[in-house]
Amino acid sequence: GAVVSQHPSWVICKSGTSVKIECRSLDFQATTMFWYRQFPKQSLMLMATSNEGSKATYEQGVEKDKFLINHASLTLSTLTVTSAHPEDSSFYICSASLRSRGLAGVKWNEQFFGPGTRLTVL
Amino acid sequence: DAKTTQPPSMDCAEGRAANLPCNHSTISGNEYVYWYRQIHSQGPQYIIHGLKNNETNEMASLIITEDRKSSTLILPHATLRDTAVYYCIVRVAPNYGQNFVFGPGTRLSVLP
Repeated sequence: GAVVSQHPSWVICKSGTSVKIECRSLDFQATTMFWYRQFPKQSLMLMATSNEGSKATYEQGVEKDKFLINHASLTLSTLTVTSAHPEDSSFYICSASLRSRGLAGVKWNEQFFGPGTRLTVL
Repeated sequence: DAKTTQPPSMDCAEGRAANLPCNHSTISGNEYVYWYRQIHSQGPQYIIHGLKNNETNEMASLIITEDRKSSTLILPHATLRDTAVYYCIVRVAPNYGQNFVFGPGTRLSVLP
């Protein structure tokens, strides 16, 4: 199946610093990627939809100036947590959809998720 | 997207079949049933999906009732590595530009 990678897999930073997380589709192109956040013992919550070449769409309650998303190419989206605080400590996961062409034309397949990035803000 | 209801947790003996139920009584005719699982501290992993027919792949089988209001994911021979949170999601699909909405899922513990 298609592979989505994230870097780094974990990061510890001081309060007030910024952290960049990369999400890459390794063997396919992804026009749209999604960023999720998961707190301990909770389910995944969508933060934003990242569209290649355009601005990201943020979910209600997610600060776009704090969580900067850049989707500069069809294989890379980045999430930057600016001025991180301890409450931003979480597991951040990205996903991408694989689009393939079948006998009946274009076919949208299931989404593939990255392995996640664990952010700890001290 | 229609909402789903799953038991919060289940246990299964290693080597036995694990049957995970999911209720989706408000599912629409064009919505698919998807199953993902998440092993601790990893990203979700796709398992299987279906519309109305039963589906089987190398990982699992998906049984959908005739009225489509519920489904069951079957892991035929559970191993310790199948311990994970299993998410049942219904959505219009395939839909390239739409995210998945995750509920709390079922925490499956496979016991030795």
